[in-house]
Amino acid sequence: AQSVAQPEDQVNVAEGNPLTVKCTYSVSGNPYLFWYVQYPNRGLQFLLKYITGDNLVKGSYGFEAEFNKSQTSFHLKKPSALVSDSALYFCAPGGGADGLTFGKGTHLIIQP
Amino acid sequence: GAVVSQHPSRVICKSGTSVKIECRSLDFQATTMFWYRQFPKQSLMLMATSNEGSKATYEQGVEKDKFLINHASLTLSTLTVTSAHPEDSSFYICSAKSGTSSSYNEQFFGPGTRLTVL
Repeated sequence: AQSVAQPEDQVNVAEGNPLTVKCTYSVSGNPYLFWYVQYPNRGLQFLLKYITGDNLVKGSYGFEAEFNKSQTSFHLKKPSALVSDSALYFCAPGGGADGLTFGKGTHLIIQP
Repeated sequence: GAVVSQHPSRVICKSGTSVKIECRSLDFQATTMFWYRQFPKQSLMLMATSNEGSKATYEQGVEKDKFLINHASLTLSTLTVTSAHPEDSSFYICSAKSGTSSSYNEQFFGPGTRLTVL
């Protein structure tokens, strides 16, 4: 069984500031973790994934995420936020033969 | 990135009728396709997993006779909501994955289908 928690329904960041979207997970066995972004009226888009290897994963649009096994976290980060980053972000463990288990999502709002 | 399409994007039907939703991978072969359901302002919930040429695997609580899934080719999966009722109204999203069924390739998502049952 696996589960994921995104503790913040909404994150507000000023443009140009660093952003963090939090995610903690619970899985049995090795964790395989994904981040997706959902823009209004568009399908989910893949940002990045952690399967194995380096704990710092770099992804699309300048996003990165840090896998922390001891804290069971996989927080999404970006050094400098853009207004266009405003969207709904989902953290999801899973993959392989299984589907993804999505968190409830975090609305990221970047203020100009 | 890879493209997944869904058709129709929106459908309204009367209670008791059946509705078919198509999911296509346009530029890659999808060994595995997934169907999710998203309620308003909520997360996506996995309904079923289908591998080409095999019977779909349904998540607990999902009625397989209600939600018929066919994955007849490496580029097409269909979800048929049979005898639809208002409580079936939802946003249905498919995703597709290349590689072997056990690989951890990312899933590519379709834009979703909004089903409204009157």
